[in-house]
Amino acid sequence: AQSVTQPDIHITVSEGASLELRCNYSYGATPYLFWYVQSPGQGLQLLLKYFSGDTLVQGIKGFEAEFKRSQSSFNLRKPSVHWSDAAEYFCAVGTSGGYNKLIFGAGTRLAVHP
Amino acid sequence: NAGVTQTPKFQVLKTGQSMTLQCAQDMNHEYMSWYRQDPGMGLRLIHYSVGAGITDQGEVPNGYNVSRSTTEDFPLRLLSAAPSQTSVYFCASSSENYGYTFGSGTRLTVV
Repeated sequence: AQSVTQPDIHITVSEGASLELRCNYSYGATPYLFWYVQSPGQGLQLLLKYFSGDTLVQGIKGFEAEFKRSQSSFNLRKPSVHWSDAAEYFCAVGTSGGYNKLIFGAGTRLAVHP
Repeated sequence: NAGVTQTPKFQVLKTGQSMTLQCAQDMNHEYMSWYRQDPGMGLRLIHYSVGAGITDQGEVPNGYNVSRSTTEDFPLRLLSAAPSQTSVYFCASSSENYGYTFGSGTRLTVV
């Protein structure tokens, strides 16, 4: 069965520091992978997605993610975190072409210290 | 450009009451889904639809019904609300390869 693991429930970083959020997936076929961000009381916003091709994917707000098939990972990175990046981040794997069903990880809550 | 619209934003129900959460999208997307979000569990798929007249169950379908009579609308029905259905509900729509667009959510409390 498909699954997504986000090992870190909470992460705290200082403003200006680099960030890496981990995501591991389990899926038998070629995965369709997504990162979403959710600010408090808001819906989910798509940061970036991977379907095929270049394994380093650029997204909005300065985020990027790298797909590593050998490690079944899709980690999210940002070189310099801003206070406005404080939010909850969800990794998801899509089945049936990525548009049919999404399986989400439990999320990582990011806090940013000034 | 409304995207995905969910109503209501907040709702309190008594155990045993029924209600319908509304979801509408104006992007002509074929695919629509309902998720519930609970602390520490991410989002879990309740039901989904691949087009008008076609629906299927997701991971946690018990206690919920859906129908899809038009491309635009995908309501979620709670027939007899239970406290275990207290959650935040998200509707989402998608076209192929674009990922899902989510609504702003409905916060439901069952007392």
